[in-house]
Amino acid sequence: AQSVTQLGSHVSVSEGALVLLRCNYSSSVPPYLFWYVQYPNQGLQLLLKYTTGATLVKGINGFEAEFKKSETSFHLTKPSAHMSDAAEYFCAVSDGEAAGNKLTFGGGTRVLVKP
Amino acid sequence: DAGVIQSPRHEVTEMGQEVTLRCKPISGHNSLFWYRQTMMRGLELLIYFNNNVPIDDSGMPEDRFSAKMPNASFSTLKIQPSEPRDSAVYFCASSLQGNTEAFFGQGTRLTVV
Repeated sequence: AQSVTQLGSHVSVSEGALVLLRCNYSSSVPPYLFWYVQYPNQGLQLLLKYTTGATLVKGINGFEAEFKKSETSFHLTKPSAHMSDAAEYFCAVSDGEAAGNKLTFGGGTRVLVKP
Repeated sequence: DAGVIQSPRHEVTEMGQEVTLRCKPISGHNSLFWYRQTMMRGLELLIYFNNNVPIDDSGMPEDRFSAKMPNASFSTLKIQPSEPRDSAVYFCASSLQGNTEAFFGQGTRLTVV
């Protein structure tokens, strides 16, 4: 069975500081990995995804993530936080199309950006 | 494209009443997912359809929950009878076969009192 662990349910960063959100997964097959963002009272929006190929993936809004198979990790980073980055972030894993593209989500990390 | 459309956005109902949540997937998408989000359990997959056929309903919590997809452009999630512990945000998502990305609706916030 797949599982996703996000370390830290809340993260507080200063505007302009590095954002680092941690995600570790377990999967029995090479995984597809995703980061989604959820703004208050909104649905989930895809930030970026890893399926195959280059392990450093760039997404929207200046975010990027690196797939490290040896560490079973897919941590999300952004060099300089902006006030608009305040939201909840979810890491997710799927086994791909053969498993119906079902997503298993981590518990989420809420990001607070301080001015 | 209007994206995945869910209705209603908010629903307040009394315990024991029937509740029906609705979803219109993105046109052309052939996979549809229902997720539930709660503080205690996070985001959970309830059921998913492929080409209108339910493929995996192992996440449906009880027989009180049922889902249908009568055609490619419409799905419902029904709870009968509803209970306070069903209070949650219910999301519908759709994707296109061959594409790993799922697109989410804005959710229905259900409160059962």
